Amino acid sequence: DGGITQSPKYLFRKEGQNVTLSCEQNLNHDAMYWYRQDPGQGLRLIYYSQIVNDFQKGDIAEGYSVSREKKESFPLTVTSAQKNPTAFYLCASSQRLAGGAYNEQFFGPGTRLTVL
Amino acid sequence: ELKVEQNPLFLSMQEGKNYTIYCNYSTTSDRLYWYRQDPGKSLESLFVLLSNGAVKQEGRLMASLDTKARLSTLHITAAVHDLSATYFCAVDILYYSGTYKYIFGTGTRLKVLA
Repeated sequence: DGGITQSPKYLFRKEGQNVTLSCEQNLNHDAMYWYRQDPGQGLRLIYYSQIVNDFQKGDIAEGYSVSREKKESFPLTVTSAQKNPTAFYLCASSQRLAGGAYNEQFFGPGTRLTVL
Repeated sequence: ELKVEQNPLFLSMQEGKNYTIYCNYSTTSDRLYWYRQDPGKSLESLFVLLSNGAVKQEGRLMASLDTKARLSTLHITAAVHDLSATYFCAVDILYYSGTYKYIFGTGTRLKVLA
């Protein structure tokens, strides 16, 4: 079954702690994305990566870091510099098309992070 | 500024009624996507609209795209409770740097009342 997996489903963080959220895809998609969603709100882009070993900041990158060492994996670290990390985190991937555009995004099930 | 706006933001409607959600975007794009999000869940893809005049239908939902007006509509026919969800549109826009940027709309929260 092709798809995107995220783990863990729920995560609790103490103040001052770094935590890493996992995102893996077996769709052979070129691009991967991380979004943050606060209750009742839309999606905000944290980071995205269009090729291995390269990534770009999104709209709210401060306090977060990523890596893209393998095509199928795009982990997100929430650092202690992120003062209000409680949110629902969604990972997505999409396939690059001829001409450089990207097709629809496929989303993982999400990780709900709570700061204690 | 690159913006994708949806209206209404909230919609409460009776079962059996028809309604339309609008998605306006601020710059040229030939590709528009609609997604559905159930409460507490992730997003799932509903429609991919790839050209001006494109129309897609799935059950009681029909999406259309007018690239000249920079407008997409999601029409709901004879709403049922199962359609209660948040609906997002998104566009893939050619950025000034020559790369493409994917931008989501604000979302429309739909509640269908029995």
